[in-house]
Amino acid sequence: AQSVAQPEDQVNVAEGNPLTVKCTYSVSGNPYLFWYVQYPNRGLQFLLKYITGDNLVKGSYGFEAEFNKSQTSFHLKKPSALVSDSALYFCAVISSGSARQLTFGSGTQLTVLP
Amino acid sequence: DAEITQSPRHKITETGRQVTLACHQTWNHNNMFWYRQDLGHGLRLIHYSYGVQDTNKGEVSDGYSVSRSNTEDLPLTLESAASSQTSVYFCASSGQGGTEAFFGQGTRLTVV
Repeated sequence: AQSVAQPEDQVNVAEGNPLTVKCTYSVSGNPYLFWYVQYPNRGLQFLLKYITGDNLVKGSYGFEAEFNKSQTSFHLKKPSALVSDSALYFCAVISSGSARQLTFGSGTQLTVLP
Repeated sequence: DAEITQSPRHKITETGRQVTLACHQTWNHNNMFWYRQDLGHGLRLIHYSYGVQDTNKGEVSDGYSVSRSNTEDLPLTLESAASSQTSVYFCASSGQGGTEAFFGQGTRLTVV
């Protein structure tokens, strides 16, 4: 079975400060890891993914994420937060085995304060 | 541009009625999924399909069914709507393994 944990329901950060949204995962086999963002009353938008290769992956809107195999983590980061980054963020995982369906974490509400 | 669309966007129905939510994608993806989103639970998988005539149960499949008669569509049916099925429903599709899934805009269903 595959699972994702997002330990923080809410993250608050001041505009211009760095932000981190945490994610840990559990899968059998190698993981494919994803971050999605959801704005109010909208669907989920893809931000970035890790499949293989460089542990630091870069995505849309200046976001990046670091894959750490030993800690089974895939934290989302951004060097300088914007008020417009305020949204709900979801981490998701697929096992590189036969499963193709995403398993999501419970989500983290990010609020960037002006 | 390819897209994935859901209809209706909003639906109010009565307890016990059968309801069908539509999902149509033009990505030509084999994989399609239905999720429900509830506060505190994130997104939970209801049903999924890996291709035409293939359907599988997800984590919260009780009271729901799907059918896949072509590549583009995966309608979700609530056999007898219950208040516990009030939720926001998202359809998604994806290509071969390791590719990201694309999501529809969601359907907000209220069962009264």
